[in-house]
Amino acid sequence: ILNVEQSPQSLHVQEGDSTNFTCSFPSSNFYALHWYRWETAKSPEALFVMTLNGDEKKKGRISATLNTKEGYSYLYIKGSQPEDSATYLCAFPYYGQNFVFGPGTRLSVLP
Amino acid sequence: DGGITQSPKYLFRKEGQNVTLSCEQNLNHDAMYWYRQDPGQGLRLIYYSQIVNDFQKGDIAEGYSVSREKKESFPLTVTSAQKNPTAFYLCASREQGAPYEQYFGPGTRLTVT
Repeated sequence: ILNVEQSPQSLHVQEGDSTNFTCSFPSSNFYALHWYRWETAKSPEALFVMTLNGDEKKKGRISATLNTKEGYSYLYIKGSQPEDSATYLCAFPYYGQNFVFGPGTRLSVLP
Repeated sequence: DGGITQSPKYLFRKEGQNVTLSCEQNLNHDAMYWYRQDPGQGLRLIYYSQIVNDFQKGDIAEGYSVSREKKESFPLTVTSAQKNPTAFYLCASREQGAPYEQYFGPGTRLTVT
């Protein structure tokens, strides 16, 4: 079974702080790397799908980078807001269709 | 609105009973998935189906069964053979083809006592 790791496991920041966390995945047979945001009492929602080494994607204050050669992706949140509080999951598709999910990083943004 | 529904949100069962979790989607997606989440762990794949009348075991299929008689529906049965069934269960679907983004239902929390 492939191993996808995320760090830190949880994070508490103050409103306005910028933060980042990491997803590590197997660097061989890379196809894509997905990021999902999972807010409490809601369904996980896709944030980014990253496919190319050096990819950088942005959605509002959230951005992500990808390094396929060393097997990691960073997710950055600039100026965190309470509504950013969620668990952030990364997922690594294998055979292009099924996914191995990391354990997630739980972010709490304190007002 | 297109989406995935799971019912019920909370389910309580006695040990030894089989229980079926519902998952319905109106996104016209071919592929559907069942995941299980336990505290401190990522989502783990139980079963998946790429097309009607076909499904495959995931990483933790023991003690579970599924059917895929309709494109819209992918129910999961947690049998009495599942040793530790208490968990949060998520259903997902996706379109065929890249980027393989998954769409998730709201989940069912199953408690077996």
